[in-house]
Amino acid sequence: DAGVIQSPRHEVTEMGQEVTLRCKPISGHNSLFWYRQTMMRGLELLIYFNNNVPIDDSGMPEDRFSAKMPNASFSTLKIQPSEPRDSAVYFCASSPATGEETQYFGPGTRLLVL
Amino acid sequence: DAKTTQPTSMDCAEGRAANLPCNHSTISGNEYVYWYRQIHSQGPQYIIHGLKNNETNEMASLIITEDRKSSTLILPHATLRDTAVYYCIVTSQGNLIFGKGTKLSVKP
Repeated sequence: DAGVIQSPRHEVTEMGQEVTLRCKPISGHNSLFWYRQTMMRGLELLIYFNNNVPIDDSGMPEDRFSAKMPNASFSTLKIQPSEPRDSAVYFCASSPATGEETQYFGPGTRLLVL
Repeated sequence: DAKTTQPTSMDCAEGRAANLPCNHSTISGNEYVYWYRQIHSQGPQYIIHGLKNNETNEMASLIITEDRKSSTLILPHATLRDTAVYYCIVTSQGNLIFGKGTKLSVKP
């Protein structure tokens, strides 16, 4: 099993640019989560999907952030326009079922917005 | 979800058991105790979870007190690769809320 796959692993962009982060969950998992980690705020849940449907997006910081899951094997997190304070490590995780708290995390995307 | 309290940091000698405590005095009956760890620059990794019985797997043991107000994660023979931040999380909602965790340093 390849585990959760995220791309790119590193992203450097300039303020105002659009950034798209990608995630491929573990095959057969029904839930997908996006987290953000910074030194100041630690690891925060941004949004999660169950069966491709967004269930809770209360952690999404503002309208500049959007997430989609067009099918069971792919999700994107988009930031438009990006700002320096968006610099962080973004993790995607998947779990086998709703309410199943055993989540499997990807390696993360390290984003730097200049 | 109930709040947890963990020491900020701990040291452990290589080859010895590492015992990481967690207080969760407000835990409710349907909430599980989960442990994750995060090795530097990697994504968090699931370790073990339990409701009220003690649990053991290939990575660790979880000891939950009878009143469920605290628990201890035990790494029986710590190695240098176990150096990480360890998170204790109490939840029943399907969401993980990560606190600051305990930074465990395993020393040779």
